Amino acid sequence: SAVISQKPSRDICQRGTSLTIQCQVDSQVTMMFWYRQQPGQSLTLIATANQGSEATYESGFVIDKFPISRPNLTFSTLTVSNMSPEDSSIYLCSVEPGTSGRYNEQFFGPGTRLTVL
Amino acid sequence: LAKTTQPISMDSYEGQEVNITCSHNNIATNDYITWYQQFPSQGPRFIIQGYKTKVTNEVASLFIPADRKSSTLSLPRVSLSDTAVYYCLVGDGNNAGNMLTFGGGTRLMVKP
Repeated sequence: SAVISQKPSRDICQRGTSLTIQCQVDSQVTMMFWYRQQPGQSLTLIATANQGSEATYESGFVIDKFPISRPNLTFSTLTVSNMSPEDSSIYLCSVEPGTSGRYNEQFFGPGTRLTVL
Repeated sequence: LAKTTQPISMDSYEGQEVNITCSHNNIATNDYITWYQQFPSQGPRFIIQGYKTKVTNEVASLFIPADRKSSTLSLPRVSLSDTAVYYCLVGDGNNAGNMLTFGGGTRLMVKP
């Protein structure tokens, strides 16, 4: 398994500013993912962030808006840039350790609740 | 990627068995079926996974018919604490990072 922490747990930000969300894992993992979950909605994958390579973004998400860093096997950051109220959402990171004996099992962080005014 | 379809919501009472069905008509040969549970203000967590027939663990059972075009998550004797959103995912178990598409999920409300 994997234990994941995220910082901050929540924040209220002003329009036009940027927020960097941190994701820390208690073990080394190659595959890490960032999701967005808007209120009452399902999860939408933003990007895959594998250590040693550039992040791969899903349709509708671009690096300029959501730059990602993955400096090592236990840490990643997602920045939400030039925020607008439409960016108000919960941002979750997850990892796929590949060691649970189950295929593609993901472990999720608690999420970062972002409100943009 | 196989798309999944689930009921938007279900209501139940404590002590009842709850069955949530997920349709995945385009499931591929290498695809596994995985269910996650998400409580408010938490990330999803794994419940159960299967490929065919029946799988049971301490939390739930998963029934998969022979054609694998659907699956049913069965929660025995639910309690109030089972109130959550349940997601069905389908993806290629032979490749890492291939089960990342969450459908709409089923919001289960358990009443006293």
